[in-house]
Amino acid sequence: EPEVTQTPSHQVTQMGQEVILRCVPISNHLYFYWYRQILGQKVEFLVSFYNNEISEKSEIFDDQFSVERPDGSNFTLKIRSTKLEDSAMYFCASSEETGVPDEQYFGPGTRLTVT
Amino acid sequence: SQELEQSPQSLIVQEGKNLTINCTSSKTLYGLYWYKQKYGEGLIFLMMLQKGGEEKSHEKITAKLDEKKQQSSLHITASQPSHAGIYLCGADDGDYKLSFGAGTTVTVRA
Repeated sequence: EPEVTQTPSHQVTQMGQEVILRCVPISNHLYFYWYRQILGQKVEFLVSFYNNEISEKSEIFDDQFSVERPDGSNFTLKIRSTKLEDSAMYFCASSEETGVPDEQYFGPGTRLTVT
Repeated sequence: SQELEQSPQSLIVQEGKNLTINCTSSKTLYGLYWYKQKYGEGLIFLMMLQKGGEEKSHEKITAKLDEKKQQSSLHITASQPSHAGIYLCGADDGDYKLSFGAGTTVTVRA
């Protein structure tokens, strides 16, 4: 069964460093998303991406964050200068359909620890 | 964005017993999603409901969306240890981003 994959599974970085989280969405999917979950809190939407541009972004997704689809398979989330409060589990998701609510499939997550 | 209330926050059930989790929204839902999460792991898609009154089942799990599309329930019949985990409901705001409830932690006792 096709699945969303994410690398690395765990990333430890120092405050102020740049990190890139990588995702490979399901191959025929057109919509891509990043969510995050701070330990003990709700899963929160960060950004959605379609047709090589951001469709929607939340208040959390400030200038420190960026997303990119550098090739036909990868979808990345970059945090330019990490802060302690960026420590969280980051989930990538993808969905097939456009224009209607559709099943969003999530990856296993990258646990980011900022020290 | 949607505010979703899940209840109960946690529950413990004896293996073989049924359980029900509720998810309530203050707004009409365009789509209601149920996911299962094991602690510290990813979200596993269970079901999506879209139409008022819709009901879907997969194995021993049944999800319903009320006619007003503001409340959903997830029912597990004859629970097993494999049903243990955190169940999350998520709502589509109409712009394809999901807002999630806080989750319901299910413990199944043998």
